[in-house]
Amino acid sequence: KQEVTQIPAALSVPEGENLVLNCSFTDSAIYNLQWFRQDPGKGLTSLLLIQSSQREQTSGRLNASLDKSSGRSTLYIAASQPGDSATYLCAANTGNQFYFGTGTSLTVIP
Amino acid sequence: KAGVTQTPRYLIKTRGQQVTLSCSPISGHRSVSWYQQTPGQGLQFLFEYFSETQRNKGNFPGRFSGRQFSNSRSEMNVSTLELGDSALYLCASSLAREGSYEQYFGPGTRLTVT
Repeated sequence: KQEVTQIPAALSVPEGENLVLNCSFTDSAIYNLQWFRQDPGKGLTSLLLIQSSQREQTSGRLNASLDKSSGRSTLYIAASQPGDSATYLCAANTGNQFYFGTGTSLTVIP
Repeated sequence: KAGVTQTPRYLIKTRGQQVTLSCSPISGHRSVSWYQQTPGQGLQFLFEYFSETQRNKGNFPGRFSGRQFSNSRSEMNVSTLELGDSALYLCASSLAREGSYEQYFGPGTRLTVT
């Protein structure tokens, strides 16, 4: 069974700092990996999806990378802002279902 | 294009009752997946429906069931509610075809069982 782990569980940084969130998965046989953000009590907002054949995807200040062989993905956030404060979740798609990590709670301090 | 909608947004039920939650996917999306989110277990996959057929199923008891209609709208039913069923229930829709498996989530239904 696929297991997805996210480290760290919580992160607090000053505004303007660049940061990296980590996601690891145990089974490299994935179709894609998707990053989401979730604000308290809300649904998930899709940030980036990386196909299994891709190495990275970029959207604005966000860059996600994927290394299937090592079972790792990272989400890089440049020049963090207070509005980036949220929980970030990664999900590995095995074709049958998405397996979610437990998330990284990010706080950006003004 | 309208996003994924879920109704109701909040629900309070008593142990032993049953509940039905509804999800309307993004227009053109044929796949709807349901998830349960709790503080202790995180996001757990319940099941996925595609073209009115349950295609995948997670490890939940038979009290949890669902269906999908011809317009891709989906409902999830939980019978004989237990306190532990209190959670945020999220649905996600997807085109679910080659190269287009990105999932889009609705705002969720917050279910409280007393």
